[in-house]
Amino acid sequence: GAVVSQHPSRVICKSGTSVKIECRSLDFQATTMFWYRQFPKQSLMLMATSNEGSKATYEQGVEKDKFLINHASLTLSTLTVTSAHPEDSSFYICSASPGLAQGEQFFGPGTRLTVL
Amino acid sequence: AQKVTQAQTEISVVEKEDVTLDCVYETRDTTYYLFWYKQPPSGELVFLIRRNSFDEQNEISGRYSWNFQKSTSSFNFTITASQVVDSAVYFCALSEARNQGGKLIFGQGTELSVKP
Repeated sequence: GAVVSQHPSRVICKSGTSVKIECRSLDFQATTMFWYRQFPKQSLMLMATSNEGSKATYEQGVEKDKFLINHASLTLSTLTVTSAHPEDSSFYICSASPGLAQGEQFFGPGTRLTVL
Repeated sequence: AQKVTQAQTEISVVEKEDVTLDCVYETRDTTYYLFWYKQPPSGELVFLIRRNSFDEQNEISGRYSWNFQKSTSSFNFTITASQVVDSAVYFCALSEARNQGGKLIFGQGTELSVKP
């Protein structure tokens, strides 16, 4: 149990386009979902926390207008990178929490975004 | 302030050697949770352990063991008789109970290379 999927797993796009990444909890309801970004050889950096039906809480330094997060249901959250630029190329990982145990998060397999 | 430090950036060992990955954390909370995750080259995070601040018992799971020392704010991870498949990046993480969202703060990660 506790499976989280992400789609797509890999995406290459041109500079200036927008890219949507989906995160789904397949066998549980996620009260909270998290979005992380990981640059090569670096740690995971939390971008934002989203709760179903409410606005996401962004970490300091993360542009909310550039990284749009929607958590429309208890099993789906989306991250849209708007007007992507090469510096947005990164590995984006989502996680989902059923809210039963503090800090318990189940991670998706990640999405590798390359902006040309 | 909350912080997780993994001072070892890279470790290289030969198969069958024991290896310890260090993790030191900072928090003002008395209730918190500590985690270890493994990130193999595929990128997907694999959950290894979750420990709450009130449980200082060491834990062993197969070749893995964890040493939690509140007095030194450390939560070290030891792999006994390492194998090539243990090669990965290992992350230590902290979640504070006062953070209702269950936000995880990750250390910088330790890249373990086990050579045959």
